[in-house]
Amino acid sequence: GAVVSQHPSWVICKSGTSVKIECRSLDFQATTMFWYRQFPKQSLMLMATSNEGSKATYEQGVEKDKFLINHASLTLSTLTVTSAHPEDSSFYICSANLAGAGESLETQYFGPGTRLLVL
Amino acid sequence: QKEVEQNSGPLSVPEGAIASLNCTYSDRGSQSFFWYRQYSGKSPELIMFIYSNGDKEDGRFTAQLNKASQYVSLLIRDSQPSDSATYLCAVLKGGKLIFGQGTELSVKP
Repeated sequence: GAVVSQHPSWVICKSGTSVKIECRSLDFQATTMFWYRQFPKQSLMLMATSNEGSKATYEQGVEKDKFLINHASLTLSTLTVTSAHPEDSSFYICSANLAGAGESLETQYFGPGTRLLVL
Repeated sequence: QKEVEQNSGPLSVPEGAIASLNCTYSDRGSQSFFWYRQYSGKSPELIMFIYSNGDKEDGRFTAQLNKASQYVSLLIRDSQPSDSATYLCAVLKGGKLIFGQGTELSVKP
């Protein structure tokens, strides 16, 4: 399957600092990437849809000023958690749609995730 | 009513048996359905997608879709302990995936 990478894989930071997470599609171009958050024992919750060259579309209840998303190229989207607090500690996962021969435009492939712990 | 519902389990089956995972959805207009597997501490990985009514087979996995009943299932034949994971059903809606809460599967040796 398609490869999506994330960096870093885990991060520990102090409360009040900002953390940037990168999501890259390694062998394909992704016009759309998605950012999810998953708390323990819960399912994935979509935070925002990131489109290359335009502003991200945030889900209801997600603070756009707190979770800054930039999709500067067809292979890179970044999520910055600004002024992180302990309640932001979670597993952040990105995904990307694969568009190519033999694959559905709608199929999402997930990155390995970034585990954030805010102290 | 949740848009995508799954039994959270855990579902326990002996090694070599068939595991049957079920999912119902509320939007009758849904067209695209996905099954993901998620190991503990890891991100989801795609197992199968299905669009048409009926069965779709890929190795030991068979996805079944019944749009009239708004029901999609995943069968795992010859279950292995390595299949132990949480299985997420997802429905595409407006370009976004709506996930069920996942079913935890445990395959006992």
